[in-house]
Amino acid sequence: DTEVTQTPKHLVMGMTNKKSLKCEQHMGHRAMYWYKQKAKKPPELMFVYSYEKLSINESVPSRFSPECPNSSLLNLHLHALQPEDSALYLCASSLLPFLSSGNTIYFGEGSWLTVV
Amino acid sequence: GIQVEQSPPDLILQEGANSTLRCNFSDSVNNLQWFHQNPWGQLINLFYIPSGTKQNGRLSATTVATERYSLLYISSSQTTDSGVYFCAVFTGANSKLTFGKGITLSVRP
Repeated sequence: DTEVTQTPKHLVMGMTNKKSLKCEQHMGHRAMYWYKQKAKKPPELMFVYSYEKLSINESVPSRFSPECPNSSLLNLHLHALQPEDSALYLCASSLLPFLSSGNTIYFGEGSWLTVV
Repeated sequence: GIQVEQSPPDLILQEGANSTLRCNFSDSVNNLQWFHQNPWGQLINLFYIPSGTKQNGRLSATTVATERYSLLYISSSQTTDSGVYFCAVFTGANSKLTFGKGITLSVRP
C-alpha cells in the first residue's frame, strides 16, 4: 500500500477562520512533507518532518503551523490566511528523511484551499 | 542550487501517438522521479529512475546520469494520459526535492 491520505479534499475559509489540513500514512515512513502548489506551477516545499521532528521550514509565514502528533499523522494548522494563500496543499512521505538512492517520495491527493 | 529544465513546455497529441518528454538537470543526482499530475491535482509516481531504463506498460523512462538528462516515453497515448508531467531531482544535500516546471500534455480523442 503506497497511500497518503489527505483530508479535507476541498476547504473554503474566511481570513479570520482557523482550520486544519490532515495527512495520514501507514507505510512506516519516517519523513513527512507539506508542499504548496499554485496554478500552473510546480510544488514548493513548505515543511519537512524527520522522525516526528521539524527538520526544515522553508521560511513559511507563521499563519501556517505544522504539527506531527505521531509517525503516521501530519497536520497543517491554518490561521488568519490571506487570499493569496489559496492553493493546492500536498502532503507527502518517504521511508527515510533524506531522499537518497532508493528512497521514493509519495504524494497524497492534495487539499484544495480557497481563502475568501 | 540544481536547475531542472523540462521540454517541451506543452504538448498536444492525437490519441494513439507516441511522445518523448525530456528532463535536463544541471548537477549530479542520486534521486530522480517522474510524476504525472492528473486534472484533479493528484501527483502520481511514474518512475524512480536515477539511472538506467525502466518500463511500465505503455510508459518507459531512461536516465543518462553522466549526461544529466532523463527521458519519459509514452507510447500509444490515451486521453487519460493528459495532465502535467513533472521531473523532480534530489542531490543529497537535504530533503529538498527540486521540480522542473512541468510539461502539460493534452491527448485529443
